[in-house]
Amino acid sequence: DGGITQSPKYLFRKEGQNVTLSCEQNLNHDAMYWYRQDPGQGLRLIYYSQIVNDFQKGDIAEGYSVSREKKESFPLTVTSAQKNPTAFYLCASTGRFYGYTFGSGTRLTVV
Amino acid sequence: SQQGEEDPQALSIQEGENATMNCSYKTSINNLQWYRQNSGRGLVHLILIRSNEREKHSGRLRVTLDTSKKSSSLLITASRAADTASYFCATDKGNEKLTFGTGTRLTIIP
Repeated sequence: DGGITQSPKYLFRKEGQNVTLSCEQNLNHDAMYWYRQDPGQGLRLIYYSQIVNDFQKGDIAEGYSVSREKKESFPLTVTSAQKNPTAFYLCASTGRFYGYTFGSGTRLTVV
Repeated sequence: SQQGEEDPQALSIQEGENATMNCSYKTSINNLQWYRQNSGRGLVHLILIRSNEREKHSGRLRVTLDTSKKSSSLLITASRAADTASYFCATDKGNEKLTFGTGTRLTIIP
């Protein structure tokens, strides 16, 4: 059963703490993406990777970091430099010429 | 940056009626896609229309694209309660990097 798995579903971050969101896909897709969604808003691109060991900044990369060591995995770290991290984070992947497949999201809250 | 802007922001209709939502964008595109998002969930791909296509159908969905006006519309016919969701358009300029609009929240009243 192919798809994208995001974990955890809910995550709580303390002030000054780094947290890592997991994204794994078994669709054999080359390209993977991280988006942030704030309440009632559209999606904004954080980072994307179109091939292993390479990734590019999106529109709101400040305070975030990623790695792409394996085709299947694209973890996102929310660093302490991200001052307003509370949001819904969505990971997606795509094969060529088709739409994106999204994970079910991680809701991050600062406590 | 938001490439697409959906209109209306919110729409409520009776079950069985048709729902139409529109999307406008600013720059040339390779294709335009529509997605559905149920509350608190990920997005689900509905349909993709390429820049050289004018209309596309998928089940109860009909999408049109007018590249001269930089606009697209999504029509859902014979709406059902399960269609209640937010709908987003997204544009691809050819680099497989999608830019999403702000969404239309659709409510189907039983």
